[in-house]
Amino acid sequence: KAGVTQTPRYLIKTRGQQVTLSCSPISGHRSVSWYQQTPGQGLQFLFEYFSETQRNKGNFPGRFSGRQFSNSRSEMNVSTLELGDSALYLCASSLGQGSSGYTFGSGTRLTVV
Amino acid sequence: AQTVTQSQPEMSVQEAETVTLSCTYDTSENNYYLFWYKQPPSRQMILVIRQEAYKQQNATENRFSVNFQKAAKSFSLKISDSQLGDTAMYFCAFMKQPDNDMRFGAGTRLTVKP
Repeated sequence: KAGVTQTPRYLIKTRGQQVTLSCSPISGHRSVSWYQQTPGQGLQFLFEYFSETQRNKGNFPGRFSGRQFSNSRSEMNVSTLELGDSALYLCASSLGQGSSGYTFGSGTRLTVV
Repeated sequence: AQTVTQSQPEMSVQEAETVTLSCTYDTSENNYYLFWYKQPPSRQMILVIRQEAYKQQNATENRFSVNFQKAAKSFSLKISDSQLGDTAMYFCAFMKQPDNDMRFGAGTRLTVKP
């Protein structure tokens, strides 16, 4: 059974650009969550999607957005990149409510220069 | 708001010995879930163990066990017979329904020494 797949693994972007990160959840999992991990702020919740609907959103500016497709794959977009957006972005999936725990991908390391 | 505190930024243990990682949390909820995740250098977060708050019995997974003290809002992780492969960052996490947003502590870096 394939795990959670995130692409790309590494990304370097310039300030002001936009970026799209992709996440394919475990087959059958309908919930996808996104987290930002930085040395200073730790792991912070971005948003969660279930059946193509955003169910919950963290405290991030509107430059951060996401969506989920009918096959449960999810994308996260960050527009007008800032140096502070440099982070490891982790995607996690679960069957439904997530109370059984999330399965995480290996993340996308985004560097903004 | 729920907060999770891990007061030990770094710990080390000799191979084959036992180590306990601490975690406290703050919530007014009665129904919630607690987790320990491990993040090795490969970056992938791996679920180690979970605990349902309404269950008094402490969860156990092979060499990993928890000491869940609901009244004290404490959730420590005990690793027995430590192995070199246990070297990683360990994160304590809290989740309540229906929010589905997992709140993480700052992490404890554990090094197992040969």
